[in-house]
Amino acid sequence: QVHLVQSGAEVKKPGASVKVSCRASGYTFTGYNMHWVRQAPGQGLEWMGWTNPSSGGTSYAHKFQDRVIMTSDTSINTAYMELNRLRSDDTAIYYCVRLVNTIDDERLDPWGQGTLVTVSS
Amino acid sequence: SYELTQPPSVSVSPGQTASITCSGDKLGDRYSSWFQQKPGQSPVLVIHQDDKRPSGIPERFSGSNSENTATLTISETQSMDEADYYCQAWDSRSVVFGGGTKLTVL
Repeated sequence: QVHLVQSGAEVKKPGASVKVSCRASGYTFTGYNMHWVRQAPGQGLEWMGWTNPSSGGTSYAHKFQDRVIMTSDTSINTAYMELNRLRSDDTAIYYCVRLVNTIDDERLDPWGQGTLVTVSS
Repeated sequence: SYELTQPPSVSVSPGQTASITCSGDKLGDRYSSWFQQKPGQSPVLVIHQDDKRPSGIPERFSGSNSENTATLTISETQSMDEADYYCQAWDSRSVVFGGGTKLTVL
């Protein structure tokens, strides 16, 4: 069974950085891109970007391009999302989600349980 | 940038059919997906590639996509279906989400 397990909640001060991890199990980690999505309190879903664990390639949403770094460690089947220069409006739940993209199957599934990042002075 | 528009809320009576729409320019030319999110939980995929149901999703969930509108239909709606629903599509290599629709079953 495919599972994505994320790291625990974080509290950070404005200007700091946060690194959220996402450990994958139940499938070949290097075979699928990992996407990151965030959700501010009471708001909708906001896509941040993806990383290819096999090649290390990335693609980021324009909004986050200068502040986010997405990486993977294939030795422990774990993806990471690091967000720098945090602001109060970065307070949100951050989710990792696997992309299945084959000839006849395209879906974002499953999702991690989410990691709450709170930015407060 | 590409945008997807959903109604903020939809209400339905138990046992009736609920329809949630998602509008975008020529949305029918690209695949759409739908996610269900209940309070305090992660989103769950309920429809992908316009009309495919993942394993474990009840048959009462169905989807369609044509021209500028994708539609999620929930037949014989149950109280457990009350949740926020998000549509999703691709814009080049980027993921786009609709703003979400709160489905109330009353």
